[in-house]
Amino acid sequence: DARVTQTPRDKVTEMGQEVTMRCQPILGHNTVFWYRQTMMQGLELLAYFRNRAPLDDSGMPKDRFSAEMPDATLATLKIQPSEPRDSAVYFCASGGQGISHEQYFGPGTRLTVT
Amino acid sequence: AQSVAQPEDQVNVAEGNPLTVKCTYSVSGNPYLFWYVQYPNRGLQFLLKYITGDNLVKGSYGFEAEFNKSQTSFHLKKPSALVSDSALYFCAVRDPQGGGNKLTFGTGTQLKVEL
Repeated sequence: DARVTQTPRDKVTEMGQEVTMRCQPILGHNTVFWYRQTMMQGLELLAYFRNRAPLDDSGMPKDRFSAEMPDATLATLKIQPSEPRDSAVYFCASGGQGISHEQYFGPGTRLTVT
Repeated sequence: AQSVAQPEDQVNVAEGNPLTVKCTYSVSGNPYLFWYVQYPNRGLQFLLKYITGDNLVKGSYGFEAEFNKSQTSFHLKKPSALVSDSALYFCAVRDPQGGGNKLTFGTGTQLKVEL
């Protein structure tokens, strides 16, 4: 049963620290998405990759957030420095070839910045 | 720009009764529409999608959705609700400008099924 995996599942850190979240997309999927979910803002798209190339990161605060895909099996989302307002659940999703293909979500990383 | 609207923040229904979670969309071109469900402390799970063909789409857990082009709606339905259906439901539409399978999600509707 293929699944998107995310690590860590929970992260508590102090303001100013660097946070790295990792995602392993489903093998063979060529699109990867990073979302952030909060009670106030709901589900927000942060970044979107296709074939490891970033296509859209307009939803991401550029000064502190960065997203990369070092290889086809790993996507990373970094926050440096972290701030309390970054506290949220961060989801990674992957999708297959074709415009009709659905996205499959990972279990999320719950980030708390104190 | 494409968008979806979920007009109800919460829907309450008694177990055994039919349920409907509403969604309307706005998109240029052919609409590709999706429903996802999120249980507490979990990621979103794909339920069903409409791409083309029959306006009534069947999905997981007994859910179905009806595509109505004239009303630009894609309402999620189930004939008989279960307490275990209580969750957050998201409607989504493919972004025709985003390329690939980038989606625009609605704000979500909390479904509460009571005994």
